[in-house]
Amino acid sequence: IVMTQSPATLSVSPGEGATLSCRASQSVRSNLAWYQQIPGQAPRLLIYGASTRATGIPARFSGSGSGTDFTLTISSLQSEDFAVYYCQQYNNWPPGTFGQGTKVEIK
Amino acid sequence: QVQLVQSGSELKEPGASVKVSCKASGYTFTTYGMNWMRQAPGQGLEWMGWINTNTGKPIYAQGFTGRFVFSLDTSVSTAYLQISTLKAEDTAVYYCARHVLISEKRLIDYWGQGTLVTVSS
Repeated sequence: IVMTQSPATLSVSPGEGATLSCRASQSVRSNLAWYQQIPGQAPRLLIYGASTRATGIPARFSGSGSGTDFTLTISSLQSEDFAVYYCQQYNNWPPGTFGQGTKVEIK
Repeated sequence: QVQLVQSGSELKEPGASVKVSCKASGYTFTTYGMNWMRQAPGQGLEWMGWINTNTGKPIYAQGFTGRFVFSLDTSVSTAYLQISTLKAEDTAVYYCARHVLISEKRLIDYWGQGTLVTVSS
């Protein structure tokens, strides 16, 4: 399964919202996770089951979608949210394929 | 709390071997599978495979057979990644990451901090 994320880079001003997309080459049902990677750090699980926030993740992060099309929405970006975001399908395992990432940068 | 602590950065010459460790704490080690991921400089995440911490059986992704070996020492809750005959293109950050079973699907929920392996003469 190929995971395709768009856009590659998203320029956003602090306080604005951001919408990231992830598309699977075939249905992964709702078995889709989102990870945040701040430069120099390990990835952190944000969302699993396409829409369930992981423990401790702020409510400004939300996920939606099922089948092949998924969205991660970040409302009102904070300074700590500027990072690279990866989606990963875990419906067909192995392998657990990742998207190529979307970099959210400060505009 | 769950923690995965990896060994430090390594600088190796081409042709050498390296062994990266990943020590788990805060949970029962043999209850959750352990995955390994590679991230080449400036690139995305690539799943290398996983090892069943209960049986010790490894599963390798395509492209990670032969020179890559996953192993365990359950007595110290530690997983290992060994890479032999290192090449320049093995230069990357390697992550261990635990997965949890949710509705019979394997979700990666905790990651180690990463180990940079640099292959250079």
